[in-house]
Amino acid sequence: EAGVTQSPTHLIKTRGQQATLRCSPISGHTSVYWYQQALGLGLQFLLWYDEGEERNRGNFPPRFSGRQFPNYSSELNVNALELEDSALYLCASPPRGREMQYFGPGTRLTVT
Amino acid sequence: KNEVEQSPQNLTAQEGEFITINCSYSVGISALHWLQQHPGGGIVSLFMLSSGKKKHGRLIATINIQEKHSSLHITASHPRDSAVYICAVRSSGSEKLVFGKGTKLTVNP
Repeated sequence: EAGVTQSPTHLIKTRGQQATLRCSPISGHTSVYWYQQALGLGLQFLLWYDEGEERNRGNFPPRFSGRQFPNYSSELNVNALELEDSALYLCASPPRGREMQYFGPGTRLTVT
Repeated sequence: KNEVEQSPQNLTAQEGEFITINCSYSVGISALHWLQQHPGGGIVSLFMLSSGKKKHGRLIATINIQEKHSSLHITASHPRDSAVYICAVRSSGSEKLVFGKGTKLTVNP
């Protein structure tokens, strides 16, 4: 069984640009969680998608948005990039009805 | 004050030592997770606890709901255990995980 996959592995953008990050959950998992891990800070919850809908979001500005596709893969978009958006972005998917989360390898976003 | 506090922040041990990492939280929770993050960034879920104790190989996790405290123990530590260990809690009635800042463990041969 393939794990959670994320692409790209690394992404370099300049301030003001837009970034798109992608996540594919484990087959059969319908939820996707997005987290941000900025340097020196702990992981922070960003967004939760389930069955194609946004169910909850963390304390992030509207520049951070996303969507979930019919095949349950998900996209995170960050508009008007700022230097402090540089971070490791992780997605995770739990099995339906279960608590344990399986994490992807992450996308490291660098904003210059 | 963070909702989830971990101690110590950094821990260096010699191979074979018994390791304890602590996590305290300030809210009512429905579950507590222990995660392991290796230097490349990948995260592995080690345990999910809502009560009592769980054991997997050399790893043991305990939780005391009344005291709002959890510990992660590593017996017979090994250099491959070197990683950042992160505690995360799910508040009662919430779907969000709140994370501690992690404990960086280095096990020297």
